[in-house]
Amino acid sequence: QSVLTQPPSASGTPGQRVTISCSGSNSNIGSNYVFWYRQLPGTAPKLLIYKNNQWPSGVPDRFSGSKSDTSASLAISGLRSEDEADYYCASWDDSLSGQVFGGGTKLTVL
Amino acid sequence: EVQLLESGGDLVQSGGSLRLSCAASGFTFSSYAMNWVRQAPGKGLEWVSTISGGGDTYYADSVKGRFTVSKDNSKSTLFLQMNSLRVEDTAVYYCARASGGTTITGARWGQGTLVTVSS
Repeated sequence: QSVLTQPPSASGTPGQRVTISCSGSNSNIGSNYVFWYRQLPGTAPKLLIYKNNQWPSGVPDRFSGSKSDTSASLAISGLRSEDEADYYCASWDDSLSGQVFGGGTKLTVL
Repeated sequence: EVQLLESGGDLVQSGGSLRLSCAASGFTFSSYAMNWVRQAPGKGLEWVSTISGGGDTYYADSVKGRFTVSKDNSKSTLFLQMNSLRVEDTAVYYCARASGGTTITGARWGQGTLVTVSS
């Protein structure tokens, strides 16, 4: 049971816009930054969004992050087949004094 | 170029010990918090431990009292001493740099090192 809650799966067709949600609480998302990562099988995770809505160098603006109260979302527009991957949200939890991850969302491009 | 290179992963029996290392280069190591994140086979990401630039340490409840994170700023190397290993500690262990000004894992990850604990 992860501290941050993500849907286990999501799907979309090429060109579509999909969103992945991440629900937390006042001790994590409600008071700290949210980060988003993408992971392809057998590889290390790649940072997509940091500090709620900032893009690391090299990440296209098809990916966008938002946060409201104790929830956050990752939106992917112009869906491509190569976006098929596992997506994770993360934050810091003040009560646990540690980083927390969501359980991950497997995105399928139909 | 920022690089993180883990080593030390191995097959070990339950109850045994292992020390992971992470050699960092390409940035001012002492200025960043560093994290260990693991991923069990077929499972999601799990945060293990953080050491701040100033040396403050944080641990997941699942490893508290068994694992110890440390670093050698002079050698830009991060360590994870793992004692009393359990089968459920089997995972790929990633060393990762925190995003600047935070303790949350950022863009720089190592390639991972596999720890297998057998019963």
